[in-house]
Amino acid sequence: DAGVIQSPRHEVTEMGQEVTLRCKPISGHNSLFWYRQTMMRGLELLIYFNNNVPIDDSGMPEDRFSAKMPNASFSTLKIQPSEPRDSAVYFCASSLRGVHEQYFGPGTRLTVT
Amino acid sequence: LAKTTQPISMDSYEGQEVNITCSHNNIATNDYITWYQQFPSQGPRFIIQGYKTKVTNEVASLFIPADRKSSTLSLPRVSLSDTAVYYCLVGERDDKIIFGKGTRLHILP
Repeated sequence: DAGVIQSPRHEVTEMGQEVTLRCKPISGHNSLFWYRQTMMRGLELLIYFNNNVPIDDSGMPEDRFSAKMPNASFSTLKIQPSEPRDSAVYFCASSLRGVHEQYFGPGTRLTVT
Repeated sequence: LAKTTQPISMDSYEGQEVNITCSHNNIATNDYITWYQQFPSQGPRFIIQGYKTKVTNEVASLFIPADRKSSTLSLPRVSLSDTAVYYCLVGERDDKIIFGKGTRLHILP
C-alpha cells in the first residue's frame, strides 16, 4: 500500500505566483482532506471531499485558495496569487471510515518569498 | 464539536508507561474519541479510536470511564522514538474534526 502521495514535497515560489499542490489518496478511500500547518496556527482543516464532492470548505482562508477533486484518485489545491503568509506545510489525508480515521500524506512544504 | 483539553507537554523516560489524559466534558452521545500521533516533519498518524471502556491495539490502549468526560491514552514502555505530539479529538464519525495544540511528549534516555 503506497499510502497518500503528495507532490511536490517542497515548493519555493515568489509572491504573486500560482502554486498547485497535488494529492493522490489511498485507493478505495472515499474522503479526502486538505490541511495547513504552521507553528502559530497549528493544524487547520481547509476543505474536505466525500465521494469527490466538497462537503465543507469553511476553512479555506480566502478566494485565492481553491481545491478540486476531478476523480477518486486525484485532488489539487491551488493558491493564486500566492503570498508570504501562505508559507506552511500542506497535508492531504484520506479516509474510508469517517472523518476520524484519516491517513495523512508526507506533506508539501511551501515557502513563498 | 466537543472541546478537548490536554496537557501542553510531558516528559518521561525510556521504558516507562506514559499516560496522557484528555478532558472532554461536553462530549455528546454520538461522539467518538480519537488519538493521533505526529512526528516532526511528518503528517499525523491515526493511533486509536474508542467510544467507551477500553480499546487496545498494537500501539496503545485507550481508557474511557463510564461518564466519557475524559479519556487516557496509555503508551506501554516508551522509547525515544515515541517522542511526538499527541492529539486528542472528539466528534461524530462524519462530523468535522479540529486538531488542537496536542501534547508534546518528550522521552528522555
